Amino acid sequence: GENVEQHPSTLSVQEGDSAVIKCTYSDSASNYFPWYKQELGKRPQLIIDIRSNVGEKKDQRIAVTLNKTAKHFSLHITETQPEDSAVYFCAASNFMKTSYDKVIFGPGTSLSVIP
Amino acid sequence: DTAVSQTPKYLVTQMGNDKSIKCEQNLGHDTMYWYKQDSKKFLKIMFSYNNKELIINETVPNRFSPKSPDKAHLNLHINSLELGDSAVYFCASSRPTGPQFFGPGTRLTVL
Repeated sequence: GENVEQHPSTLSVQEGDSAVIKCTYSDSASNYFPWYKQELGKRPQLIIDIRSNVGEKKDQRIAVTLNKTAKHFSLHITETQPEDSAVYFCAASNFMKTSYDKVIFGPGTSLSVIP
Repeated sequence: DTAVSQTPKYLVTQMGNDKSIKCEQNLGHDTMYWYKQDSKKFLKIMFSYNNKELIINETVPNRFSPKSPDKAHLNLHINSLELGDSAVYFCASSRPTGPQFFGPGTRLTVL
């Protein structure tokens, strides 16, 4: 069945450094890739998403890249700050206009930004 | 003005009891979900409803029964609670081709 792998499971960086989280997906028909941030005790919240017709998307300090051929996508956070510390989830799904598909989440990456 | 709300936030109960969690969204979304997040933080989908109809049921024990009285509400009823049911349960909603918006979660503890 569909599967999304995510690496690393834990990541520690110094404040100001960059952080990169990588995901791979198994279903080549996947066409929508959101990223969620979950702070301790809070709900997952969408931080950025990308669709399969785009190779890269950026929003201030965060960016996501997609390689459809390799079935990889990555989250890049630059100039990390302590408030970036959280668990990050990647996800993949196949959205079609006339049908529905479930979103498959990766297992999460716990990011710690050390002041 | 909360987009997706859940009640209760915390639920502590004894094994064997029956409990319900309620979810409401005011985003006008057609699709709603229940997720279970265990102690390892893995988000596992349990159910999904689209316009009050069940579209995803992920090998969840039949002790769990979702009910959607209208497309803005998706409740979760759990019978005969077991220790392994302890987790955080998240409700979410979305448009059919858009991101999911999560509720604040319900932390269920079964003693």
